[in-house]
Amino acid sequence: NAGVTQTPKFQVLKTGQSMTLQCAQDMNHNSMYWYRQDPGMGLRLIYYSASEGTTDKGEVPNGYNVSRLNKREFSLRLESAAPSQTSVYFCASTIRAPYGYTFGSGTRLTVV
Amino acid sequence: EDQVTQSPEALRLQEGESSSLNCSYTVSGLRGLFWYRQDPGKGPEFLFTLYSAGEEKEKERLKATLTKKESFLHITAPKPEDSATYLCAVQEAGANSKLTFGKGITLSVRP
Repeated sequence: NAGVTQTPKFQVLKTGQSMTLQCAQDMNHNSMYWYRQDPGMGLRLIYYSASEGTTDKGEVPNGYNVSRLNKREFSLRLESAAPSQTSVYFCASTIRAPYGYTFGSGTRLTVV
Repeated sequence: EDQVTQSPEALRLQEGESSSLNCSYTVSGLRGLFWYRQDPGKGPEFLFTLYSAGEEKEKERLKATLTKKESFLHITAPKPEDSATYLCAVQEAGANSKLTFGKGITLSVRP
């Protein structure tokens, strides 16, 4: 009964370092999403994958890249971390529109 | 201009004191409006989806309603365990399955 699993749960990076946030879902969902959540800003879409083999930019894609590795996995990469990328990152998935998302528990990232 | 606006930003209630949370939206064609609950340190948890004006859905002490411009989440006789942040999101027609979220309403219920 895992749902959406995100790793790691916490991470501290130095400015300029790179890292990949992992996300996997076991619900056979078609679409997957990466959001960031900042105080006073709400959830903002970074990238999404409507189906396996496709990815598209969301509202705030600069500084990020994504890979839809297969139907289950969707990773988010920070190539050169910046303090402005300090945030809580959530992965989500859905079978298709108009169904709602299932969210992971989040990755809290601090860039110093 | 924000597509989804939630008000108030924060709400403090006494246990048993009923109230409503508002979500107004400005998308041209609504495919669905979603309510989520988020507890501190956790991911959002799905509550309701509303698809057309006039629709209502209920779950325990919560009832969500939808008009052509806004949605309300009514909380009847709240308990301290209802304390959380409530998020509203809209899915626009033709926008794949992307959701656009409001900034959320933080609800605190005092015993």
